[in-house]
Amino acid sequence: GDSVTQTEGPVTVSESESLIINCTYSATSIAYPNLFWYVRYPGEGLQLLLKVITAGQKGSSRGFEATYNKETTSFHLQKASVQESDSAVYYCALGRGTNTGKLTFGDGTVLTVKP
Amino acid sequence: GPKVLQIPSHQIIDMGQMVTLNCDPVSNHLYFYWYKQILGQQMEFLVNFYNGKVMEKSKLFKDQFSVERPDGSYFTLKIQPTALEDSAVYFCASSSTNTEVFFGKGTRLTVV
Repeated sequence: GDSVTQTEGPVTVSESESLIINCTYSATSIAYPNLFWYVRYPGEGLQLLLKVITAGQKGSSRGFEATYNKETTSFHLQKASVQESDSAVYYCALGRGTNTGKLTFGDGTVLTVKP
Repeated sequence: GPKVLQIPSHQIIDMGQMVTLNCDPVSNHLYFYWYKQILGQQMEFLVNFYNGKVMEKSKLFKDQFSVERPDGSYFTLKIQPTALEDSAVYFCASSSTNTEVFFGKGTRLTVV
């Protein structure tokens, strides 16, 4: 079946430092799945951070970026300068194009940004 | 933004009893989902529901599980009877056609 592997947390960085959370995927049910990053802030529900549905494209939101690389089957999340408010749990996920709601999630990466 | 509400946030139930988890999806959404996350494990798809029917379910969706959304009210997940291994956080989600999926904060179910 499909699977997603991401950086094992917890990850701690200082404010204004750069960040990368790795994500690789294996999709057996579809050649080019849709790829997502979701985030759960403390006390909040899971929310979409960014998504990319076309291989080779880059998605961005709130200063975060991720590029869909079909050669390396990766979708790493990056941010040049993190803020304390970015402290959250980040989930990489993949989905099939015809059904956006059936998602396969990674384990989640807990990010703590120190002031 | 749009919110999916889950009630209650935490429920404790005796093994063998029935439990119903309630979800108030985003208004006008047509697709509904349940996910299960056991402590320390990945969040996993259970089932999706559209137009009054289960569209797809995973192997985690045991015979003891059922879902419904009677008359456009709450979207519910019923477990009857419950087992110890059903202890987990259950997340409800909803979406419209090919749009972003919105998740609730989850209901933590503890079966004792």
